[in-house]
Amino acid sequence: ILNVEQSPQSLHVQEGDSTNFTCSFPSSNFYALHWYRWETAKSPEALFVMTLNGDEKKKGRISATLNTKEGYSYLYIKGSQPEDSATYLCAFNNFNKFYFGSGTKLNVKP
Amino acid sequence: GAGVSQSPSNKVTEKGKDVELRCDPISGHTALYWYRQSLGQGLEFLIYFQGNSAPDKSGLPSDRFSAERTGGSVSTLTIQRTQQEDSAVYLCASSLRKKRGTSGEGRSEQYFGPGTRLTVT
Repeated sequence: ILNVEQSPQSLHVQEGDSTNFTCSFPSSNFYALHWYRWETAKSPEALFVMTLNGDEKKKGRISATLNTKEGYSYLYIKGSQPEDSATYLCAFNNFNKFYFGSGTKLNVKP
Repeated sequence: GAGVSQSPSNKVTEKGKDVELRCDPISGHTALYWYRQSLGQGLEFLIYFQGNSAPDKSGLPSDRFSAERTGGSVSTLTIQRTQQEDSAVYLCASSLRKKRGTSGEGRSEQYFGPGTRLTVT
């Protein structure tokens, strides 16, 4: 069994705060790292697919970095808004399979 | 275009009964995955179909679980003799996965369906 860990498990921030959370994964047999956003009562939605060490991706106020040598990725949200409230999942992909972390549940209070 | 659809959205069944969960992937997507999320847990990989290749069943938790994919499109996950620990949200995802050895293989994002919430009483 391959461990993908996310921290923190949950996070409560005020609107306008910037925040970040971590995904750690095995540094061997790395193929890709995926970030998903999962809102309540909706399907998980892909945010980023990251493949190269040092990759940095950005989509609006959300960005992510990747360190494959030490096995971690950070997701950053700048100026959190209530609509950012969701569970953020990362998934380690070693070709065929995706191993998901248990997610970070973000709650942004207005 | 249409996304991944799953049916039913909710299923309540009695312990010991069989259930079938259906997934309609995005048209043209060659890869199809089944996952489940039990309460308080992360997404657990169950099974993976890629084109006409033999499926990767290594994530199926017991021989009560089986899945098939007909015509490279619709997939059905069957759970026989359901147990209370089978209660979970079952998610299906599809992706346009490229063949091994081609550029960008395996890095396509997955598109998830809305899930089926299974409750075994």
